[in-house]
Amino acid sequence: AQKVTQAQTEISVVEKEDVTLDCVYETRDTTYYLFWYKQPPSGELVFLIRRNSFDEQNEISGRYSWNFQKSTSSFNFTITASQVVDSAVYFCALNNPSGTYKYIFGTGTRLKVLA
Amino acid sequence: DTEVTQTPKHLVMGMTNKKSLKCEQHMGHRAMYWYKQKAKKPPELMFVYSYEKLSINESVPSRFSPECPNSSLLNLHLHALQPEDSALYLCASSQVSGGPGVGLFFGSGTQLSVL
Repeated sequence: AQKVTQAQTEISVVEKEDVTLDCVYETRDTTYYLFWYKQPPSGELVFLIRRNSFDEQNEISGRYSWNFQKSTSSFNFTITASQVVDSAVYFCALNNPSGTYKYIFGTGTRLKVLA
Repeated sequence: DTEVTQTPKHLVMGMTNKKSLKCEQHMGHRAMYWYKQKAKKPPELMFVYSYEKLSINESVPSRFSPECPNSSLLNLHLHALQPEDSALYLCASSQVSGGPGVGLFFGSGTQLSVL
């Protein structure tokens, strides 16, 4: 079975604080892909990052960084020096070749960054 | 700005109405999706079109009828909906050649209310 768990339902931080959003996944496949999406109040989901199961290198993009650890089946997302514009719901998702186009989404984490 | 455009942004309809949601993308993507998202929930897959052919129907009731007239357009025809069908309807597209590891690109959605 495939599953994505985002245990943090809602997180509130004060602007400029660092915050980490957790994502734990389950899959029996050896080849799979992990994603993070951001959904601001406007509604659209914005693609942030994709990582395949063979690439455990961490990635940094500006204030965003991702920590992929196969040993713990986790793909965590850190925002450094958070800003009010980071306020959104963040979804972690899983996909694999046998799942064709079916993306398994986590339940999302609502991040509120307070000024 | 999103490269997947959905119209209308908001729609209110009665249970006897017939309406259509429209989605357009010009990224050359050959896979297009309809998702349904209830408040505070992750998106749920409804339909997938690959090369203008319906490839996945997630057992969606027949009151929802998808149509893919060409590689850039995706429609969702609505008829005799129920109040519980009220939700945000999201269109997405992706490359096909990259397989399941490619990211989804979403529109900003149509917020549908069924009275």
